[in-house]
Amino acid sequence: EPEVTQTPSHQVTQMGQEVILRCVPISNHLYFYWYRQILGQKVEFLVSFYNNEISEKSEIFDDQFSVERPDGSNFTLKIRSTKLEDSAMYFCASRTGGNTGELFFGEGSRLTVL
Amino acid sequence: AQTVTQSQPEMSVQEAETVTLSCTYDTSESDYYLFWYKQPPSRQMILVIRQEAYKQQNATENRFSVNFQKAAKSFSLKISDSQLGDAAMYFCAYRSWSNAGKSTFGDGTTLTVKP
Repeated sequence: EPEVTQTPSHQVTQMGQEVILRCVPISNHLYFYWYRQILGQKVEFLVSFYNNEISEKSEIFDDQFSVERPDGSNFTLKIRSTKLEDSAMYFCASRTGGNTGELFFGEGSRLTVL
Repeated sequence: AQTVTQSQPEMSVQEAETVTLSCTYDTSESDYYLFWYKQPPSRQMILVIRQEAYKQQNATENRFSVNFQKAAKSFSLKISDSQLGDAAMYFCAYRSWSNAGKSTFGDGTTLTVKP
């Protein structure tokens, strides 16, 4: 069964460092998302991506964040200069076109900023 | 902005019994989707059940069913004949009708199933 895969599963970084989280969505999906979940808190929307551009982003998704789909398979989230409060689990999700498509989530990448 | 509220941080149920998880939401939209996702420990979220707001009939998926009350903005999940494998965090989520709509999640309910 096709699934969304994310790497790395866990990354530890120093404050101020750049981090890239990688996702391989399901191949025939058209919409791509990043969500994050700070430990003990709710899952929060970061950004949605469609047709090679950001379609919506939240207030969390400031200039320190960027997304890219550099080729036909990968979907990356970059944090330019990490802060302590960026420590969270980051989930990638994708879905097919149309209104009814369910979200398929990856297993998440845990980011720890020291 | 839409909000989703799950008022039960934790619930427990005896194996083979029935449990209901609560979810309320707030929106000014008339067309939208509601979802329940299951997140087992250290695993990704998977869709349990989906409800389209325009449908009056409650969605059912095997042992999982919902009680969708649109006027009350309530969307509860009933799990019948609970199994040990049902133990997980359950998230209620709202999504707008638009094609690229983001999903808004509740805080989650941790369900424990006792043998």
